[in-house]
Amino acid sequence: GAVVSQHPSRVICKSGTSVKIECRSLDFQATTMFWYRQFPKQSLMLMATSNEGSKATYEQGVEKDKFLINHASLTLSTLTVTSAHPEDSSFYICSAGNRGVGTDTQYFGPGTRLTVL
Amino acid sequence: GDSVTQMEGPVTLSEEAFLTINCTYTATGYPSLFWYVQYPGEGLQLLLKATKADDKGSNKGFEATYRKETTSFHLEKGSVQVSDSAVYFCALKTQGGSEKLVFGKGTKLTVNP
Repeated sequence: GAVVSQHPSRVICKSGTSVKIECRSLDFQATTMFWYRQFPKQSLMLMATSNEGSKATYEQGVEKDKFLINHASLTLSTLTVTSAHPEDSSFYICSAGNRGVGTDTQYFGPGTRLTVL
Repeated sequence: GDSVTQMEGPVTLSEEAFLTINCTYTATGYPSLFWYVQYPGEGLQLLLKATKADDKGSNKGFEATYRKETTSFHLEKGSVQVSDSAVYFCALKTQGGSEKLVFGKGTKLTVNP
């Protein structure tokens, strides 16, 4: 099956610094990638959708200047949390889809645990 | 807006017990419905799906039937195993070209030997 990786798996940073999270589709071309945020005992909340080569579409309430998304190639998308603060601490999950294999299926990465001190 | 409600966990069962995890949804039109499973330390994996009313999705002994009249998609398994311990998420995707998934809160299942 299709594999999506995320790096790093966990990161701890100081308040005010920026953190970059990578999402890679390892064995297929991802025309669309999604970034989710998951709080403890809560559902996955979609933050933004990115299509390769175009700007990301952010969900209502998500600050695009704070959560920078780049989808520069068909196998890589990055999420940069700029000037991170403790309230940004969360579990960030990416998923990838490919129109060629059907839009119903998204393949999920294992997630990145961000802790901001 | 579209939403998914699934039963609160955690659920703890003994091996070979019957499992039901309830899921109901609210959506305009006719969404596709999914169950995803997240094993410890891993990403979400698609478990099964149904795309229209009365469809039954099945995989690894799990089943769920798309019930339009009750707007439900309950997950069932006749005999659970320890290896089924995981968090289960119900989700929907509305028609109309958008690929966005709307998830329930997840239900943690623990199966004891």
